[in-house]
Amino acid sequence: AQSVSQHNHHVILSEAASLELGCNYSYGGTVNLFWYVQYPGQHLQLLLKYFSGDPLVKGIKGFEAEFIKSKFSFNLRKPSVQWSDTAEYFCAVTSSGGGADGLTFGKGTHLIIQP
Amino acid sequence: DAGVIQSPRHEVTEMGQEVTLRCKPISGHNSLFWYRQTMMRGLELLIYFNNNVPIDDSGMPEDRFSAKMPNASFSTLKIQPSEPRDSAVYFCASSSTDGNTIYFGEGSWLTVV
Repeated sequence: AQSVSQHNHHVILSEAASLELGCNYSYGGTVNLFWYVQYPGQHLQLLLKYFSGDPLVKGIKGFEAEFIKSKFSFNLRKPSVQWSDTAEYFCAVTSSGGGADGLTFGKGTHLIIQP
Repeated sequence: DAGVIQSPRHEVTEMGQEVTLRCKPISGHNSLFWYRQTMMRGLELLIYFNNNVPIDDSGMPEDRFSAKMPNASFSTLKIQPSEPRDSAVYFCASSSTDGNTIYFGEGSWLTVV
């Protein structure tokens, strides 16, 4: 069975600070990896995804993530955060068969950006 | 293109009542998922369908929960009878089997009092 671990449940940063949110997964096979963002009171939106190829993937709003297979990690980064980045961030994994078998989510990281 | 559409957006009901949540997936998507989100347990996959057929319902908490997908454009999640611990946000999501990306609806916020 798949599992996803997000190490930081709450992160508080000041604007312009750099961000890195940790994500590790557990699965024996080939995986697809995702980061979703949930703004307060809204639904989940896809930030970025990794299926294959370049392990450094770029997403929307200046976010990027790096897949490190040897570490089973897919950490999310942003060089300079903004107040509008305040949200809940979810790392997710599915087997490489695609979305057809559903995503397994981490517990989420609640990010607060202070002006 | 319309996204995943869920209804109702908000529902408050009394314990013991039947609750029916509805979902219209993105046209052309043939996989549909029901998730539940709570503070305590995070996001949990309840059930998913491929081509209208339930594939894995191991996440459905108990017999009070049931889900159907009578056709490619409609699914329901029913709770009967509802209990206060069912209070949560229920998300429907859909994907194409080769698209590998799951798109979420805006959720149904359920409160059982």
